[in-house]
Amino acid sequence: DTAVSQTPKYLVTQMGNDKSIKCEQNLGHDTMYWYKQDSKKFLKIMFSYNNKELIINETVPNRFSPKSPDKAHLNLHINSLELGDSAVYFCASSRLGQGSGEQYFGPGTRLTVT
Amino acid sequence: GQQVMQIPQYQHVQEGEDFTTYCNSSTTLSNIQWYKQRPGGHPVFLIQLVKSGEVKKQKRLTFQFGEAKKNSSLHITATQTTDVGTYFCAGAFGNEKLTFGTGTRLTIIP
Repeated sequence: DTAVSQTPKYLVTQMGNDKSIKCEQNLGHDTMYWYKQDSKKFLKIMFSYNNKELIINETVPNRFSPKSPDKAHLNLHINSLELGDSAVYFCASSRLGQGSGEQYFGPGTRLTVT
Repeated sequence: GQQVMQIPQYQHVQEGEDFTTYCNSSTTLSNIQWYKQRPGGHPVFLIQLVKSGEVKKQKRLTFQFGEAKKNSSLHITATQTTDVGTYFCAGAFGNEKLTFGTGTRLTIIP
């Protein structure tokens, strides 16, 4: 059974489009995250939700909007996509709050903006 | 903001040689975690260190947390081709978010 799943795995789209990435975890964790990994492999947190409540909102353009319909799901919607948004986006979850316990990562969504 | 620096950025070793990656923070960490990301894969949790001076081993991997809780290292003895990947440390500052280091990409020459 997949613990943290993301869809789609690959996403190729043109500049200016709007797209969404979905994430689901079946681990019963309260905290979920979105990370962005650029071409140099730097892994940066974007958002953190705890039990559907936004906890961390890093310096991310407001074109990125997370939504957590329930504590098992955390989706990421991106408006007006730009070339610089091309990256791998990872969803993750943890039982404890941020910084306190191991995080389980999803397989990633490779976004390519042309 | 808080940063976690990791060196080296790249490391190429012959199979069977040892490998070490180092992680440094300018401020005290509440804990440090280590993750491994295989090529094309996602980060996978390896271990968490919490106590000052803590040393933990997992088979050929040895993890250390500095006395001042500002630095950490991961040492792999006698590397194998399965060790290939990028190793990340991730430092926690209090109860705040986990800040990932820049990663060390390990390649093995058979």
